[in-house]
Amino acid sequence: KQEVTQIPAALSVPEGENLVLNCSFTDSAIYNLQWFRQDPGKGLTSLLLIQSSQREQTSGRLNASLDKSSGRSTLYIAASQPGDSATYLCAVTYNAGNMLTFGGGTRLMVKP
Amino acid sequence: ETGVTQTPRHLVMGMTNKKSLKCEQHLGHNAMYWYKQSAKKPLELMFVYSLEERVENNSVPSRFSPECPNSSHLFLHLHTLQPEDSALYLCASSQALTAPTGELFFGEGSRLTVL
Repeated sequence: KQEVTQIPAALSVPEGENLVLNCSFTDSAIYNLQWFRQDPGKGLTSLLLIQSSQREQTSGRLNASLDKSSGRSTLYIAASQPGDSATYLCAVTYNAGNMLTFGGGTRLMVKP
Repeated sequence: ETGVTQTPRHLVMGMTNKKSLKCEQHLGHNAMYWYKQSAKKPLELMFVYSLEERVENNSVPSRFSPECPNSSHLFLHLHTLQPEDSALYLCASSQALTAPTGELFFGEGSRLTVL
């Protein structure tokens, strides 16, 4: 069974800190990996998409890396802000279809 | 605004009721999805439609019945639900089922409470 795990489940940091969110997957034969953000009671917003042939993607203060051989991805957030507070979800596609397998998410709180 | 609109945003229903959730995408996509998000559980894929044909049904109980009349609209018909079906139901769309970029766009979700 393909599983995606995110650790920690919750994280609280002071404003301005750089932080790393972790995602691991059991099957390294992935097609792509996506990071999403979800605000309370809202839908998901796609942050970064990494194809299996790529090692990392960057968007503003966000950088996502992918290491297929170790079954890991990290989302790096630089200079965190209170507005970054949300749940961050990692999702993996295992074939050319777009049926994602999601991790449980990391709930991030950035304190002013 | 992601281009995927879900209605209603909130729904409370009894176990004997029949209701429907609606999803509409304005992105010109050909694939649409229903996901279920329960408390303290990862998102679960329920149904996938590609070009209006169902291509995936992840062992979802028959009390959930999807309908895709065209590539822009997706419904989830609900009947005789159980309290454990209370969850956030998310609709998503993608350019195609096997789009090169593989990016999904999600709606805001429909929060369902079954009494």
